[in-house]
Amino acid sequence: DAKTTQPTSMDCAEGRAANLPCNHSTISGNEYVYWYRQIHSQGPQYIIHGLKNNETNEMASLIITEDRKSSTLILPHATLRDTAVYYCIVKSGANNLFFGTGTRLTVIP
Amino acid sequence: DAGVIQSPRHEVTEMGQEVTLRCKPISGHNSLFWYRQTMMRGLELLIYFNNNVPIDDSGMPEDRFSAKMPNASFSTLKIQPSEPRDSAVYFCASSFGELGGNTIYFGEGSWLTVV
Repeated sequence: DAKTTQPTSMDCAEGRAANLPCNHSTISGNEYVYWYRQIHSQGPQYIIHGLKNNETNEMASLIITEDRKSSTLILPHATLRDTAVYYCIVKSGANNLFFGTGTRLTVIP
Repeated sequence: DAGVIQSPRHEVTEMGQEVTLRCKPISGHNSLFWYRQTMMRGLELLIYFNNNVPIDDSGMPEDRFSAKMPNASFSTLKIQPSEPRDSAVYFCASSFGELGGNTIYFGEGSWLTVV
């Protein structure tokens, strides 16, 4: 599975949009982009995933560039409860998710 | 719907004792994963099963660790004998399907402390 690169940490003001970038320049055609988050002391929580097209659900939006080499997770109106470590992962097949170090997002009141 | 259920949530045990962690995957899911999380190594896969058969156990640290999946609704991860370096959070996760677009869902973890 392709490696991903994310910033170590980011801050976001409460109520503003949080835009979390991810680079996955070696992604292959059959690999999906997944986003999970982990709030302290909890299990990783699935947020969203996509292959080529942009995706939106009740939690977030995922914007994937046309060349698929990078993506952005958007939390439209960040709340304090969105403070967590966010993981961008590329995955193919039924296998494992390889978790990197993620981005520690801090939502500031 | 019930998610992935793990037990115990917390366990403190003495070095040398046997530890058994349990997992009930989401009903209907056919893949099950055991992960371990530590500060030093982050989240790492220990083993994963597909249709109750172990597919990849390359992440199992050593012979002290063993995992079983006797049926589609139950799995165990056993450590015997336990050592202080096994202290970690152990997550079980499950998914359905074979394709890259199948989502993996995690339980809340079992926090293990070996003293």
